[in-house]
Amino acid sequence: GAVVSQHPSRVICKSGTSVKIECRSLDFQATTMFWYRQFPKQSLMLMATSNEGSKATYEQGVEKDKFLINHASLTLSTLTVTSAHPEDSSFYICSARGTGGQKANYGYTFGSGTRLTVV
Amino acid sequence: QQPVQSPQAVILREGEDAVINCSSSKALYSVHWYRQKHGEAPVFLMILLKGGEQKGHEKISASFNEKKQQSSLYLTASQLSYSGTYFCGTESMDSNYQLIWGAGTKLIIKP
Repeated sequence: GAVVSQHPSRVICKSGTSVKIECRSLDFQATTMFWYRQFPKQSLMLMATSNEGSKATYEQGVEKDKFLINHASLTLSTLTVTSAHPEDSSFYICSARGTGGQKANYGYTFGSGTRLTVV
Repeated sequence: QQPVQSPQAVILREGEDAVINCSSSKALYSVHWYRQKHGEAPVFLMILLKGGEQKGHEKISASFNEKKQQSSLYLTASQLSYSGTYFCGTESMDSNYQLIWGAGTKLIIKP
């Protein structure tokens, strides 16, 4: 099945620094990658849709300059949280849809998530 | 618009059955079901397409009533491993086929 590898799984950084999160599709090409943020006991909040070779599409209220997304290849998308602040602490998850067969059989495959703590 | 999941939470004894519902005000193309355990990412369970269908996955199955724009997830003879938060996600033409997530249903299975 489709596998998405996400790194790092946990990161603690100082306020004002930047953090890069990577998501790689291991056995399929992900032309589109979705980036989510999740607060404790809440549902997934879509931040942006990352498309290979083009600019990401951000959801309303998500700062483009703060959450930089790069999707340079069909297997790699990165999210950089710039000038991080404590309120950016959250669980960040990427996902992509599997391919290679009937779309009907494929849901979204998620990376393992990144727990970001800004101190 | 976010699909509505019910109940918000349910506590079961091991071996009992549960039903989780997901309803939308939009005409749906598909309904997805995922389970998320604490501290982990969601895991895909199944997808149901318009036209109405039922699917099964071990002792977990689901149905999709296209006319009523709702789906139900059935967990029979629940096991401890079924504990977690279950999310439905819906795709519709209105959402440009972007997956819209429900708020989740927390399922606690006690021995």
